[in-house]
Parts: sequence; C-alpha cells; structure tokens
Amino acid sequence: EDQVTQSPEALRLQEGESSSLNCSYTVSGLRGLFWYRQDPGKGPEFLFTLYSAGEEKEKERLKATLTKKESFLHITAPKPEDSATYLCAVGSSASKIIFGSGTRLSIRP
Amino acid sequence: KAGVTQTPRYLIKTRGQQVTLSCSPISGHRSVSWYQQTPGQGLQFLFEYFSETQRNKGNFPGRFSGRQFSNSRSEMNVSTLELGDSALYLCASSPGSRSGAYEQYFGPGTRLTVT
Repeated sequence: EDQVTQSPEALRLQEGESSSLNCSYTVSGLRGLFWYRQDPGKGPEFLFTLYSAGEEKEKERLKATLTKKESFLHITAPKPEDSATYLCAVGSSASKIIFGSGTRLSIRP
Repeated sequence: KAGVTQTPRYLIKTRGQQVTLSCSPISGHRSVSWYQQTPGQGLQFLFEYFSETQRNKGNFPGRFSGRQFSNSRSEMNVSTLELGDSALYLCASSPGSRSGAYEQYFGPGTRLTVT
C-alpha cells in the first residue's frame, strides 16, 4: 500500500538554527515527490517537485533532496517567516497523490 | 496568471442539508482535484477530474460527488450533511495530463461548518 510518513510532527527552532524535515515513502512506481508549505487557514503553496533519486532543488533558504526511500527538506538559517506546516506528497503509478500529515515548523526570533 | 479560486470562502449549514462548492482552476489547467482537510485526518483526497471525466476517487461515501465542466471549472456536492463533514475543502489544479506526475496549485479553500 502506498504510504507517506513525515517526521517530526513538530519542530521548534531558534532563528538561524538549521535543520531538516523528513518524508519517508513507499509507493508502487514514483511519478513525483512534491513539497508544499501551508500557513494556517490557507491552501498549500507549491515549493518543489523531485522526480528521481539524487535530484536536488533549492529556493532561498530551502533545499529539497530525494533518495529511493525518502526526501529531506533542509532549512538553512531559518527566519520567523519560515514558520508554517510543510507537507510532502507522492504521486504514484496508481495515478494517486498521497499526502503526509505534515511537519509544523516554528521559528523563534 | 490568476490563481485557483474557490467560492464561497465560508459556509455554515445545518445537519441534513446539502451544499455545493465551486472551483475555478488556473487557466489552461485541465486537472482539478478536491481534498478535505481536518485537524485530525490531514489532507484527504476526494476525487480528481480531467477533461470532464472523473479519473480518480478517494475513500469517501457516495454523499460526496463532483463534476467538471467543459471550461474546466469544477463543483463538488455534499448531500445529507453530517457534523463530521465540517472541514476545510480545498481545490487544486494541475498543468499536466499524467495523474500524479505534476505539482498542484491550491485555492484558498472553503471553510464548511455543519451545525
């Protein structure tokens, strides 16, 4: 069964303290792995798409990487405005997109 | 390009009533998906439409239905509302034709409260 697990559930960091969020997946045929950011009461905002192991994407303080079993979202020197819930989703060859439960990230000034 | 729009943004209904939510995708996007988001269950997939055809469906009862029009606009309907249907309903559009292979762009959601 296709499954996506994100860890940790919640993460509190000090401003400037770098860290990583994890997304582990099992899927029958990966079509794409997606990262989103969601602010309270709003729809998720697309960040990155990764298609194959070894691929990396960067945007400002965020960098996403992909292996055959997991993806990491690295946050370098975060700022309070990076506080949000980060969602990972996987598209499978069964033509479905499965979302993880998310990591709530809080950055203290 | 204008983003995904959803109407209405907020809705309060009584148990037993029915409701229709509307979604306009980004221009040129033919895939539209619907999700239910609650604090306890996270983002749950409802269904996906592509070129007016439902091509994927999640594990929701038949009270949840949807459709897509020739201009790619989509509606979802929930009949015989239950208290547990209170949630944020999100619509997302996607640029590609291959399901699961492209990113999705989400609307702001419709907050449905059932009393």
